[in-house]
Amino acid sequence: DAKTTQPPSMDCAEGRAANLPCNHSTISGNEYVYWYRQIHSQGPQYIIHGLKNNETNEMASLIITEDRKSSTLILPHATLRDTAVYYCIVRAGIGATNKLIFGTGTLLAVQP
Amino acid sequence: GAVVSQHPSWVICKSGTSVKIECRSLDFQATTMFWYRQFPKQSLMLMATSNEGSKATYEQGVEKDKFLINHASLTLSTLTVTSAHPEDSSFYICSASTLGSPLHFGNGTRLTVT
Repeated sequence: DAKTTQPPSMDCAEGRAANLPCNHSTISGNEYVYWYRQIHSQGPQYIIHGLKNNETNEMASLIITEDRKSSTLILPHATLRDTAVYYCIVRAGIGATNKLIFGTGTLLAVQP
Repeated sequence: GAVVSQHPSWVICKSGTSVKIECRSLDFQATTMFWYRQFPKQSLMLMATSNEGSKATYEQGVEKDKFLINHASLTLSTLTVTSAHPEDSSFYICSASTLGSPLHFGNGTRLTVT
């Protein structure tokens, strides 16, 4: 699986949009970009994933560059409960047997 | 959505004893589950891939005789930490998915070995 690079930490004001970047310059054509977050002492929570096109769901938006070498996770209106470590992961395909390899992630601190 | 349940959520055991952790997929069948370990202030580290009806596949550096994995049914995988020592104290997390859906994670098990 390709590796990803994320900033170790970011701050965001409550109510503002949080934009979390991720570089995955060695991504292969069949690899998806996944985003998970982990709130302290809990298991990771799935947020969103995409292959080429931008994606949006009730939690967030995922913007993938045209060359697919980087992406940005957008939390449109951050709340204090969004404080967590956010992991950007590339994973081959969407098969049930394809494992996820976690990097170090970005600690997002939402400030009141 | 897919729900993965882990039990227990925390356990304290004495050095030298064994501890079993259960991972269940509540509303779907999972032929494959994954076990992770996480030390404080570190990321999740994949330990092994649990395959229903066959042997688990362990990542490099993970002792298969120490971390016994059994995937007896399509909804249950167990991880047994044998002869636990204080350095095995960690946060153990399982995950599972069905074809075409993202991996979902349990809420983890905090193991403390005294």
